[in-house]
Amino acid sequence: QVLLVQSGAEVKKPGASVKISCRTSGYAFINHYIHWVRQAPGPGFEWMGVINAKDGNITYAQKFQDRVIMTRDTSARTVSVELRSLTVQDTAVYYCARDPLDCNGGRCFRYFDYWGQGSLVTVAS
Amino acid sequence: SYDLTQPPSVSVSPGQTATITCSGDALTKQFVYWYQQKPGQAPILVIYKDTERPSGIPERFSGSSSGTTVTLTISGIQAEDEAEYYCQSADSTGLYVFATGTKVTVL
Repeated sequence: QVLLVQSGAEVKKPGASVKISCRTSGYAFINHYIHWVRQAPGPGFEWMGVINAKDGNITYAQKFQDRVIMTRDTSARTVSVELRSLTVQDTAVYYCARDPLDCNGGRCFRYFDYWGQGSLVTVAS
Repeated sequence: SYDLTQPPSVSVSPGQTATITCSGDALTKQFVYWYQQKPGQAPILVIYKDTERPSGIPERFSGSSSGTTVTLTISGIQAEDEAEYYCQSADSTGLYVFATGTKVTVL
């Protein structure tokens, strides 16, 4: 079955960086995109960006584009996200989520069919 | 950007029907996707493209759409359906939007 398994919880100080990984299995890795979405008590869910597992093409949400890097390792079937210059407002659960690549007639439908279990990132001094 | 609005909470007795609405001006042109999230767990897709149900999701989950409002219906609700439910949509520019969620309580 499709599985996305993320790395564990992290505690960071303001100004630091964090890197979270997402190891996938159960499907053809290069046939799907992987998104990163975070969930925090105030803002709720926020979409951070997406990486094409086949060619590594990336789109970042405007809010994060100056301090986020997404990468993929096709041999390891793993995608990662690094967020720099952390503030307390970055405290959240970070999820990777698969894009089903559900497209019809040139239109692609934008949603997430499988999610990782989440990685809690706590930013505190 | 655009907003999606859900009621904060819905309470129903076991066996009854829960309806959760998701409203937004863009929903006449964009589909809605529904996720179930239980405490401490990742979201699970329960309805996609307004009305379609993924394999493995019970038939008691259904979706409908009318104008700027999309509705998730849980018929014959069970205790295990108690969770937070979120609607999500996206526009052609790649903007993904989530509503703030509805807590469904099974009395």
